[in-house]
Amino acid sequence: GQSLEQPSEVTAVEGAIVQINCTYQTSGFYGLSWYQQHDGGAPTFLSYNALDGLEETGRFSSFLSRSDSYGYLLLQELQMKDSASYFCAVRSYNQGGKLIFGQGTELSVKP
Amino acid sequence: DADVTQTPRNRITKTGKRIMLECSQTKGHDRMYWYRQDPGLGLRLIYYSFDVKDINKGEISDGYSVSRQAQAKFSLSLESAIPNQTALYFCATSDKTGNQPQHFGDGTRLSIL
Repeated sequence: GQSLEQPSEVTAVEGAIVQINCTYQTSGFYGLSWYQQHDGGAPTFLSYNALDGLEETGRFSSFLSRSDSYGYLLLQELQMKDSASYFCAVRSYNQGGKLIFGQGTELSVKP
Repeated sequence: DADVTQTPRNRITKTGKRIMLECSQTKGHDRMYWYRQDPGLGLRLIYYSFDVKDINKGEISDGYSVSRQAQAKFSLSLESAIPNQTALYFCATSDKTGNQPQHFGDGTRLSIL
């Protein structure tokens, strides 16, 4: 089977750094993606890790360790607008590249 | 204009009615997907299509059907709606490469009374 686990909620203060973890069990995948969703709007792509290691895109970074079946999204210099749900997802080898999503982490950024 | 457009954006209907949700895209992508989102359950795949002649079931296809009328259009039907199909529905697209992220429409909020 394939499954991904994330914390359901995370709270942090403006200007801080927060890490959202994603652990997974899957038989094989192309890479780990992260998506942001505000208030039930369209999920938007944040980052993608095809290989192990850290990928940086502005204030957001993402990390993957296939040997540990683990990844995380790191958000730096948090802003109020970063309050949203964050989903990790893997693209399965065997099913046409469909994404399998975690249940999402709701991030609340406080002043 | 949005790259992936879903219609309607909101729909309230009664149990037993037939409903069609439509999705069109201008990205020129071959692959299209329908997802359902329920609170606390993330996104779950209903159906997906690699091209006009290809339809595949996802995780939760029971009670749904789809039609890929053209490369740019992929519609989702609920033949006889039931209340537990109340959810937020998203259409998404991707190209053929393995690492291309999917692009999502703004969603259709469907309520079955």
